[in-house]
Amino acid sequence: GQNIDQPTEMTATEGAIVQINCTYQTSGFNGLFWYQQHAGEAPTFLSYNVLDGLEEKGRFSSFLSRSKGYSYLLLKELQMKDSASYLCAVMDSNYQLIWGAGTKLIIKP
Amino acid sequence: GAVVSQHPSWVICKSGTSVKIECRSLDFQATTMFWYRQFPKQSLMLMATSNEGSKATYEQGVEKDKFLINHASLTLSTLTVTSAHPEDSSFYICSARGLAGGDTDTQYFGPGTRLTVL
Repeated sequence: GQNIDQPTEMTATEGAIVQINCTYQTSGFNGLFWYQQHAGEAPTFLSYNVLDGLEEKGRFSSFLSRSKGYSYLLLKELQMKDSASYLCAVMDSNYQLIWGAGTKLIIKP
Repeated sequence: GAVVSQHPSWVICKSGTSVKIECRSLDFQATTMFWYRQFPKQSLMLMATSNEGSKATYEQGVEKDKFLINHASLTLSTLTVTSAHPEDSSFYICSARGLAGGDTDTQYFGPGTRLTVL
């Protein structure tokens, strides 16, 4: 079966760095996405990785290792507004998105 | 770029009535649109996938006669919840994707529609 695993909840301190991991097992791979979802709102696109390596976009970076079926989202200089759920999703061989359950990130002052 | 709108943002209706939700891709052509439902503190649940000009593909357990999806153009898809009941109250979110391959594989989400059925 297809499976996406990510931690349910993480807590970090304002100004610090946090890494949210995602492991996956899917039928085929056409890219991995990270989305941010604030409570009561729709997800917003953060990043897309299809090749191995690190993609940096401001305070957010996303890493992919296809051989290990592993990705992480790195958030630097955490701000209170970063408190949200972070969703990992993998596009399978049929170009369908397989969603993880999301990681709720709590930022403390 | 890649903006998706949804209308209405929220709706309250009586049990037994039908509600139509519109999803529009504003600045790109969406060959595929997706409809999700999300209950409080739960994950996104894919309801159906629709391709322009063809019938929607529904996920297992989703009643196609209750949740009518129409994808009449490359920029508009509609979801109609027929004979709504209180258990249909949820956050309905659409997303749109352009042509397959490259950057257009990304799904962009609308802001969602909160449906409350009394």
